[in-house]
Amino acid sequence: GENVEQHPSTLSVQEGDSAVIKCTYSDSASNYFPWYKQELGKGPQLIIDIRSNVGEKKDQRIAVTLNKTAKHFSLHITETQPEDSAVYFCAAHGSARQLTFGSGTQLTVLP
Amino acid sequence: DAGVIQSPRHEVTEMGQEVTLRCKPISGHDYLFWYRQTMMRGLELLIYFNNNVPIDDSGMPEDRFSAKMPNASFSTLKIQPSEPRDSAVYFCASSGETSGSGFFGPGTRLTVL
Repeated sequence: GENVEQHPSTLSVQEGDSAVIKCTYSDSASNYFPWYKQELGKGPQLIIDIRSNVGEKKDQRIAVTLNKTAKHFSLHITETQPEDSAVYFCAAHGSARQLTFGSGTQLTVLP
Repeated sequence: DAGVIQSPRHEVTEMGQEVTLRCKPISGHDYLFWYRQTMMRGLELLIYFNNNVPIDDSGMPEDRFSAKMPNASFSTLKIQPSEPRDSAVYFCASSGETSGSGFFGPGTRLTVL
């Protein structure tokens, strides 16, 4: 089945700096890659996604890149703010027809 | 729309008791997913439904777990009998598409003593 690895597990950045979280996947048939933000005590919230026919997608301060050849995708957050502090999860949807999640990254934005 | 609604938000029970978690998906969504989140195993898909029919229950850990979706607006996840290792946060999510990238509910934090 699909295996998704996510790095780093924790990330601290200064407010205003950029943050990058990286994920790799194993199933070459995976074609959909969402990213979720989970705040304490809440459910994961979809923040951006990308499909396999696109290499990059941007939404204001958030961008996601996908390299299908290398089977990795990344989340980029620019101009980070304290409210960006949360746990971020990547996921992949492949031949198993279900989402497989990464292990999560605890992002802390220091004021 | 109120989003995905789950109840109860917190449940504390004793080992051996039956536990029922409830979910109301977003109206119009054809897919409903039950996930479990623990520190050790992260987010795991337990089961998902399409048009009220269970499609994949391979993630259900044991026969002690069962899920139903009697209609488009309601689903239950039942654990009978419960064990301490079932302690986790259980999320329900609904989606309008098969990718499952839908909307998560707030979760039910289950503690089995």
